[in-house]
Amino acid sequence: DAMVIQNPRYQVTQFGKPVTLSCSQTLNHNVMYWYQQKSSQAPKLLFHYYDKDFNNEADTPDNFQSRRPNTSFCFLDIRSPGLGDAAMYLCATSRGGVSGVYEQYFGPGTRLTVT
Amino acid sequence: KQEVTQIPAALSVPEGENLVLNCSFTDSAIYNLQWFRQDPGKGLTSLLLIQSSQREQTSGRLNASLDKSSGRSTLYIAASQPGDSATYLCAVWITGGGNKLTFGTGTQLKVEL
Repeated sequence: DAMVIQNPRYQVTQFGKPVTLSCSQTLNHNVMYWYQQKSSQAPKLLFHYYDKDFNNEADTPDNFQSRRPNTSFCFLDIRSPGLGDAAMYLCATSRGGVSGVYEQYFGPGTRLTVT
Repeated sequence: KQEVTQIPAALSVPEGENLVLNCSFTDSAIYNLQWFRQDPGKGLTSLLLIQSSQREQTSGRLNASLDKSSGRSTLYIAASQPGDSATYLCAVWITGGGNKLTFGTGTQLKVEL
């Protein structure tokens, strides 16, 4: 089945120790997104890639970076995690374009714990 | 700036009831609206997508309606079951905002036996 896959599902890192979260998709969608979701809050968009074009949200801290080496994979790098970065990180994909259906498909998420 | 509100924040109903979840948005210039389900500690599952030109979409026991002019959408769940217990999120694609969704904070639903 076509899907969005996130690895690992659970990640524990130490305060200040860089961590990388992975997302892959078999949907061949050209747009990939990273969201941060804290408990009982709505998902917050960090950034997204439209093909190879990176689009950062204005309020995303510099501590968060992303890479998209090819259509299928996208990575979220947290350079120096703080306690406040503990959250669920969600990857999503969609088709892009001027018009059409823009349904987003989400992965299962990675729960990040910072100790 | 588009703001999406969901009322109520939490809802508890007995099994078998029909129920309505509400979603309102401040800017009617939207491409479409999407309803999601989220189980505790899990990702989001897309339930229904309503294009801006449509009035409603149905999938099984779920029916979602959209009234763009009033900035409202409802998700109707028929004959609720304990397995429907989850958080339900609505989100809108905004025109001129790039390929982005704006989410509401969700309604946490509990269906009791």
